[in-house]
Parts: sequence; structure tokens; C-alpha cells
Amino acid sequence: NAGVTQTPKFQVLKTGQSMTLQCAQDMNHEYMSWYRQDPGMGLRLIHYSVGAGITDQGEVPNGYNVSRSTTEDFPLRLLSAAPSQTSVYFCASSYSRLAEKLFFGSGTQLSVL
Amino acid sequence: DAKTTQPTSMDCAEGRAANLPCNHSTISGNEYVYWYRQIHSQGPQYIIHGLKNNETNEMASLIITEDRKSSTLILPHATLRDTAVYYCIVREWGGATNKLIFGTGTLLAVQP
Repeated sequence: NAGVTQTPKFQVLKTGQSMTLQCAQDMNHEYMSWYRQDPGMGLRLIHYSVGAGITDQGEVPNGYNVSRSTTEDFPLRLLSAAPSQTSVYFCASSYSRLAEKLFFGSGTQLSVL
Repeated sequence: DAKTTQPTSMDCAEGRAANLPCNHSTISGNEYVYWYRQIHSQGPQYIIHGLKNNETNEMASLIITEDRKSSTLILPHATLRDTAVYYCIVREWGGATNKLIFGTGTLLAVQP
């Protein structure tokens, strides 16, 4: 099993550009989520999904869209990138919303110039 | 906001036990204590969790005080590879999401 796979590992955008961060898991997990990590601020939840077709907002959802058309994939879209979105993004999944463990991907480092 | 307080950093000698404290004085009866760690440039990794009893697994031990207002994560024989940021997290069981509120954690530096 590959676990949680995130692509790309690094990305540089210009202000106003759009892009999609990819996240895929091969563990048949119902629950998937996106976090961003900024220096001195820990990890903050952006969006999450408790199953295919169901998504909801976390702590810092503004500027990001998500969809969950399949169990395996949970892409994060930046429609118009801003410098404030420069961060490291982590995707995480678990068996269910009540599961004990979250499994994290290795992260995407995004810079918006 | 994170409901836990941890020291910013700690040092530990290789081969010795690392004891990482965490205060969670406002914890409620149905909230569990979780520990994750994040090695540099990697995603966080689950270590252990508990409600009120002490817990042990292959990675660590978790000691929760009787009043549940604080806990200690113990790495019995720290190695250089245990150098990481350790997050203590309080999570409500049965909540609407698997939402974990990460604070800023403790940077554990294992010294040779």
C-alpha cells in the first residue's frame, strides 16, 4: 500500500493563478482532510470529507475548494492564489470520522509570489 | 484554539528516556488525549492515545494523571531518529469530524 499520496511535492505560483493539489489514498478510508501548516501556527484544518460526495469546511476554508467524487481522491483547489496561501499542505485520511488514527501524506510545499 | 500547553523545546540524551509533558486543564470527560509527532519535512505520525488509563504501545507510553489535567508521553530509549516536534492533542470522542486541533508542539532534540 502506498498510503496517502500527495502531488506535487513543490509548487511555485504567481498571484492569481489557479491550481489543484492532489491527494489519493489506497486504504479505502472514508474520511479525508486537508491541513495547512504555517511557521509557529501548527496545523490548521481547511476542509474535510466524511465520504464520497460529502465535504465540509474546517477552520480556514476561505480561498479553497474541494470535492470528493471517489473514495480514493480528495483534491484541493486554489481558484486564485494569494501570497497568504504560501504554506505546506498536508492531506490526511482515516478509516472513518471516528477512527483513532489519522494517516498523513508527505506534504506539498506551495509558494505564491 | 488548541486546548493543550506544551513546552516549546526539550533536549534528551540518546538512549535515555524522553518525558514530554502536556497540560490540558480544561479537558472534559469524553475527550481523549492524543499524541502525534512530526519529523522534519514529513507529515505527522500517530503515536498513542488514551482516555484515563495509562497506555503503552510499541512506540511509547502515555501517563495520564488521575484528574486528567495533564499527561506525559514517554519514549523509553530515545534515538536520534526520535528528534521531532511532538504534538499533544485533546479530541472529543464521537464528534462530528475526525478533527484534530494541533498546537505548536514540543521540539524534542535527541543529542548523541
